[in-house]
Amino acid sequence: AQKVTQAQTEISVVEKEDVTLDCVYETRDTTYYLFWYKQPPSGELVFLIRRNSFDEQNEISGRYSWNFQKSTSSFNFTITASQVVDSAVYFCALSEARGNKLVFGAGTILRVKS
Amino acid sequence: ETGVTQTPRHLVMGMTNKKSLKCEQHLGHNAMYWYKQSAKKPLELMFVYSLEERVENNSVPSRFSPECPNSSHLFLHLHTLQPEDSALYLCASSQNLAGGQGDTQYFGPGTRLTVL
Repeated sequence: AQKVTQAQTEISVVEKEDVTLDCVYETRDTTYYLFWYKQPPSGELVFLIRRNSFDEQNEISGRYSWNFQKSTSSFNFTITASQVVDSAVYFCALSEARGNKLVFGAGTILRVKS
Repeated sequence: ETGVTQTPRHLVMGMTNKKSLKCEQHLGHNAMYWYKQSAKKPLELMFVYSLEERVENNSVPSRFSPECPNSSHLFLHLHTLQPEDSALYLCASSQNLAGGQGDTQYFGPGTRLTVL
């Protein structure tokens, strides 16, 4: 069965600090897909990134970067030089090639203070 | 036109009311989903539709009744709800089902439902 664990319930940082959000997943499938979504106070889940299980290259997009490590079943998300607008709930999610579900972690609340 | 829209954005209803939530996607996708997000609980998948056919029903009580008249529209009909059904209801769509090629799901803004 697929499972996603986001052990950090809530993180508070001061603006300009770097912050890493952890995501650990479980799956029996060899082909799977990992996602990160951002949910600001408005409620809408905003798609950030999608990676497949065969692509372990780390990715950087502006202040965002992702570290995918199959050896530890982790897909961590780092925000560099955090800003107040980064305050949101961040969700990690997993889908398996043989399934039709996207399973979400419990989410991490990020509070960035000015 | 934004990708996935939901109406209404907020809804307050009594336990004896009947109401419907509407979702519309403008992305040309074939799969649509209903999720429930309660306070302090993970996102729960409720229903999955692919090409207007329901492919998943995650043990959702019958007081929630989905309808997918075409690939662009998805409804969630509500009747005789309970206060514990108060939550944010999110609609999503993807090109194809979540598995397979791992198509990304795009979400609407949600309907904040309060049952009195």
